[in-house]
Amino acid sequence: EAEVAQSPRYKITEKSQAVAFWCDPISGHATLYWYRQILGQGPELLVQFQDESVVDDSQLPKDRFSAERLKGVDSTLKIQPAELGDSAMYLCASSLSVNYGYTFGSGTRLTVV
Amino acid sequence: ILNVEQSPQSLHVQEGDSTNFTCSFPSSNFYALHWYRWETAKSPEALFVMTLNGDEKKKGRISATLNTKEGYSYLYIKGSQPEDSATYLCAYNTGTASKLTFGTGTRLQVTL
Repeated sequence: EAEVAQSPRYKITEKSQAVAFWCDPISGHATLYWYRQILGQGPELLVQFQDESVVDDSQLPKDRFSAERLKGVDSTLKIQPAELGDSAMYLCASSLSVNYGYTFGSGTRLTVV
Repeated sequence: ILNVEQSPQSLHVQEGDSTNFTCSFPSSNFYALHWYRWETAKSPEALFVMTLNGDEKKKGRISATLNTKEGYSYLYIKGSQPEDSATYLCAYNTGTASKLTFGTGTRLQVTL
C-alpha cells in the first residue's frame, strides 16, 4: 500500500537553530498538507499546497516558518530560528480528494531545547 | 459550536466492553465528517468519511453515525480489544477544496 514518507522521524534541536522536515506524498496526490499537533491539542493546518501552489498558509508563522513544494511533488517545511514553543508533532498528509480523506505520514516529533 | 469538540478526552475500558465517543462540529457550511484512528508511533489512519445526514458506516467492530442538522457524530466500538487502543480523531470540512479541522481526540486504552 502506498505511503506518505516523512523524515526525520525524530529531531532534537537547540533554540535559535534551523530545522527542516521533508515529506514525499503518494504519487498522483496533488494536494499536500502540513499539520502541527502540540501536545494536548488537535492537529492544526500550517500550509496546504495544490500542486506547487500554496492554497492556505493563514496559520503559518511566516516570520520563522517557510514551506515549499517545488515541482509539485515532495515538500520541505523549515523553521528558522526554532523556539521552545515549536516542540510538537509535524504531520504531512496528501489526498487525491478530501472526499476520500487524507493519507498521513508517520510524522516528525520535534523537541526544541 | 465554533470548533470541533470531542468527548470524553480519554477513556479506559476492559477488553470486551463496548464504548462510544462523541464529536461535535459546526452544523453550518458542513460538507463532510472524518474519523481517524491514531495508534502510538504510527500514522493516523482514516476510518470513515461521512457526508449525509443520518449516514451510518461500519468497519468490522467499529461504526459511526452522523447528524448534520445538530452537528454531532458518534463512533462506536463493539467488544473492545487491546489493539483498539489509540487516539480517535474526528475532523470536518466545509467544501471539496477545504482543509480538515480536527478535534483534540479521544484517547482510548483497552486493558485485559
